[in-house]
Amino acid sequence: EVQLVQSGAEVKKPGESMKISCKGSGYSFTTYWIGWVRQMPGKGLEWMGIIYPGDSDTRYSPSFQGQVTISADKSISTAYLQWSSLKASDTAMYYCARRGSGSHDNWFDPWGQGTLVTVSS
Amino acid sequence: SYVLTQPPSVSVAPGKTARITCGGNNIGNKNVHWYQQKPGQAPVLVISYDTDRPSGIPERFSGSNSGNTATLTISRVEAGDEADYYCQVWDSSRDHPLFGGGTKLTVL
Repeated sequence: EVQLVQSGAEVKKPGESMKISCKGSGYSFTTYWIGWVRQMPGKGLEWMGIIYPGDSDTRYSPSFQGQVTISADKSISTAYLQWSSLKASDTAMYYCARRGSGSHDNWFDPWGQGTLVTVSS
Repeated sequence: SYVLTQPPSVSVAPGKTARITCGGNNIGNKNVHWYQQKPGQAPVLVISYDTDRPSGIPERFSGSNSGNTATLTISRVEAGDEADYYCQVWDSSRDHPLFGGGTKLTVL
């Protein structure tokens, strides 16, 4: 079974750093792009960026460029999303999702279960 | 920049047909994908490439796309279909995915 399992919920203070993870299983992790999506409380889905674990090619949404860092460790089939200095406005649910295999397969399936991040003083 | 427009909410009685639209300039020339997100759960792909149902998705779910509107149709709606639904395309000008604002389906 293809699966993405994300790390658990986090509660942080403004200014702290954080790294959340997304572990893939049941497929060749290095040959599928992994994307990250933010969902703020009560709001819709926002694409943040995407990484190809095979060579770590990474693309960011202009809205998130410079605000987060996406990385991957293919030896343990895990992608990461990290912040160097959190803000209260980073409070949200974060999802990872696998992009389709072909160059034009621009859909996402499956999705991880989500990581809830709360940033509060 | 490209914009996808969805109605905030759609209501339908059980057993009836729900139609959720996704508007965009010449969206008929793009591939549209649809996701279902039930409360407290992660999104699930229900339609890809305008009309394709992934394995495990009921035949009651179907899609169409033409002109400036893509449509997700749910036939014989059940209480369990109550969820938020999002359309998604690839914004080729920015080379990244773009989501619609989402539509909350309420089953009366």
